[in-house]
Amino acid sequence: RKEVEQDPGPFNVPEGATVAFNCTYSNSASQSFFWYRQDCRKEPKLLMSVYSSGNEDGRFTAQLNRASQYISLLIRDSKLSDSATYLCVVNTAGNMLTFGGGTRLMVKP
Amino acid sequence: EPEVTQTPSHQVTQMGQEVILRCVPISNHLYFYWYRQILGQKVEFLVSFYNNEISEKSEIFDDQFSVERPDGSNFTLKIRSTKLEDSAMYFCASSRATGAGANVLTFGAGSRLTVL
Repeated sequence: RKEVEQDPGPFNVPEGATVAFNCTYSNSASQSFFWYRQDCRKEPKLLMSVYSSGNEDGRFTAQLNRASQYISLLIRDSKLSDSATYLCVVNTAGNMLTFGGGTRLMVKP
Repeated sequence: EPEVTQTPSHQVTQMGQEVILRCVPISNHLYFYWYRQILGQKVEFLVSFYNNEISEKSEIFDDQFSVERPDGSNFTLKIRSTKLEDSAMYFCASSRATGAGANVLTFGAGSRLTVL
């Protein structure tokens, strides 16, 4: 089993749609969880940290399910500018963060 | 907004040559990292560095690679005897701290290495 696994997509959605991505991780001892966003040929940028109780930042909601070892990201009211690759990131040991392969989102007019 | 800066943005080198990629982390950050991303693949951890020594490294980070903080601001990745498969984007990152909820990484824009 891969350490951090994501559906690569692409997810093609119309503007205004709600879309959800899931991510599973294999190390039950992981403590830190993040969603990063990566635009084509650019660096990853932090979208949001994921907290045990779930958290929301505007149109973005992140959830953590420790029992099932998965993390989700929900994007409401999708914008064209949300088109990017969304990276699930988990600390797998100490201060080493492991990235999933990313889920590509394309928002169409 | 503070940023991590990397140079060069793109380097082309011949197989077998040595390259040095440079990074200036955010000034009050204490932890420094190198990641790489081969085109079309995922971001892979190479090494983390704290208090002037390597704190963790991956299987990728073998004897061909080394890191150094030669002064108070720069953090470098040296790749000796480059191979074709070293062609990738190399990202430097830094964070203020580590531990649960604290190790938020800020990435530089990357250095693209092309080995011919």
